[in-house]
Amino acid sequence: EVQLEQSGAEVRKPGESLKISCKGSGYTFTNYWIGWVRQMPGKGLEWMGIIYPGDSDTRYSPSFQGQVTVSADNSITTAYLQWSSLKASDTAMYYCARGMRSNYYYFDYWGQGTLVTVSS
Amino acid sequence: AIRMTQSPSSFSASTGDRVTITCRASQGIRGYLAWYQQKPGKAPKLLIYAASNLQSGVPSRFSGSGSGTDFTLTISSLQSEDFATYYCQQYDNNPPTFGQGTKVEIK
Repeated sequence: EVQLEQSGAEVRKPGESLKISCKGSGYTFTNYWIGWVRQMPGKGLEWMGIIYPGDSDTRYSPSFQGQVTVSADNSITTAYLQWSSLKASDTAMYYCARGMRSNYYYFDYWGQGTLVTVSS
Repeated sequence: AIRMTQSPSSFSASTGDRVTITCRASQGIRGYLAWYQQKPGKAPKLLIYAASNLQSGVPSRFSGSGSGTDFTLTISSLQSEDFATYYCQQYDNNPPTFGQGTKVEIK
């Protein structure tokens, strides 16, 4: 069974750094893309970026390029989303999801989400 | 970025109703469209990919159609577990973009 298990909720202050994780299991981690999607409170879904763990090829939405970093550690089948300096506007639920490439990407399995709260 | 516009944004329906949600792309996306269902407090779930392909395990009452700029998601007979928010997503162009969502509520 394909599963994506995300790390727990985080509370940070503006300017702090953060790295959240997504552990994949039940499939060959290096054979599938893993992406990240933001959902701000009460809002819709926003595609952020994606990585192919097999060769670390990484793509970003222009809206998120330079704002976040997507990475992966194949030895522990885990993908990451990180910020170097959080803003209050980064407060949101963040989902990881397994990406299926057909031209670009849609997502067939999703993690449960990680709530990030940024507040002074 | 391609803009995806769903209609309606919300509506009320009864169990057993046939419901249709529309998604329009600001430019042609061929058949590169997915539909997701999201229930409150839960992650989205893939229903349809490539405009009309039913994801494994999804009930057959869900169907999708369309190509180019206009797409539809149809639920043939609404069940209680189908009350949720539905999103379309194009993956023809970078960045992939989602519609704003359609909330299906109980009448």
